[in-house]
Amino acid sequence: GDSVTQMEGPVTLSEEAFLTINCTYTATGYPSLFWYVQYPGEGLQLLLKATKADDKGSNKGFEATYRKETTSFHLEKGSVQVSDSAVYFCALRRDDKIIFGKGTRLHILP
Amino acid sequence: DAGVIQSPRHEVTEMGQEVTLRCKPISGHDYLFWYRQTMMRGLELLIYFNNNVPIDDSGMPEDRFSAKMPNASFSTLKIQPSEPRDSAVYFCASRGPGRNTGELFFGEGSRLTVL
Repeated sequence: GDSVTQMEGPVTLSEEAFLTINCTYTATGYPSLFWYVQYPGEGLQLLLKATKADDKGSNKGFEATYRKETTSFHLEKGSVQVSDSAVYFCALRRDDKIIFGKGTRLHILP
Repeated sequence: DAGVIQSPRHEVTEMGQEVTLRCKPISGHDYLFWYRQTMMRGLELLIYFNNNVPIDDSGMPEDRFSAKMPNASFSTLKIQPSEPRDSAVYFCASRGPGRNTGELFFGEGSRLTVL
């Protein structure tokens, strides 16, 4: 079945460092891909999305490019802030369902 | 507009007790999802509804779990009897109509602890 695999955390970085969180997927066809973010004590919220191959989703300085050749959707940010500390989930849409990866916890140190 | 509203935010109960979690989706949304979040398994889809009708409950762990959606503005997830392994954060999420890209709007979750 369809699945999403993302790098295990926690990931700890200093403020202003470059961030990459890896995500790969297994699916038939070309599902829409998402990154969601969960701040402490809150529900998940959509960070960015891409609906077809080579699309780049971006929001709040974060970017991810839909790579069908490598079935990947890695999340990147050029300069992280303390406020980016959260759990990040990669996800894909299959029909009506959104299937999530296990999440990657990110700690940013001041 | 109000977001997805869940209650209770926290529930501590003893093994064997009945637990009822509640959800009010965003007005106008026609899909409602129940997820369970644990450290071991991450975020698991339990069941989802479309226009108040259960579409897929294959993620419901066992018969102790049941979910209903009596109308477009209310859903419940019930566990009877509860067990310690049911301890988790339960999220409700809703989605709007149409063939959009599928953004889900999540509630803040209900943290359940079964002693």
